[in-house]
Amino acid sequence: GAVVSQHPSRVICKSGTSVKIECRSLDFQATTMFWYRQFPKQSLMLMATSNEGSKATYEQGVEKDKFLINHASLTLSTLTVTSAHPEDSSFYICSALGVSTEAFFGQGTRLTVV
Amino acid sequence: GENVEQHPSTLSVQEGDSAVIKCTYSDSASNYFPWYKQELGKRPQLIIDIRSNVGEKKDQRIAVTLNKTAKHFSLHITETQPEDSAVYFCAASEGQGGKLIFGQGTELSVKP
Repeated sequence: GAVVSQHPSRVICKSGTSVKIECRSLDFQATTMFWYRQFPKQSLMLMATSNEGSKATYEQGVEKDKFLINHASLTLSTLTVTSAHPEDSSFYICSALGVSTEAFFGQGTRLTVV
Repeated sequence: GENVEQHPSTLSVQEGDSAVIKCTYSDSASNYFPWYKQELGKRPQLIIDIRSNVGEKKDQRIAVTLNKTAKHFSLHITETQPEDSAVYFCAASEGQGGKLIFGQGTELSVKP
């Protein structure tokens, strides 16, 4: 299957700082990328849908000014968590959609805000 | 929007037994239903999927059934093995380009 690479896999940051997470499709062009958040022992909750060259569409309850999404090319989308707080600590996962219906997931980023 | 309900939340079976996980969805426009296996701290792995023009699909020990009228679909794992132990998620989407909405997950434990 196709490969989606997400970096970093783990990050610890201080409260109030910003963290950028990258999601790259390595061997296909991703017209659409999705960002999910997963708290321990919970499901994947969709945060936003990102289409190359346009503004992301955020799910209800997700602050667009706090979770900045950029999809500047067909192979790269970034999620920046701004002014992070301990309650933002979570597992963030991206997925990328190519020409098929199957979504390919990145390996996830474990964010810990201290 | 779409809402996906998944049951049970935990399931414990003896090795060799079958396991069944059930999901219901709310949006009749959904037409793609994948199932994922997720091990702790790792990415979800697609194990099987079904589209709305098919009622059943099988891949070795894994099968999925879909009832469009009732808006529910199920995952069946036969001859379970300890390595099947993981969290399983169902999902639904409107197919091409559609976002995936996940069920709550089922923690499957297969006891040797």
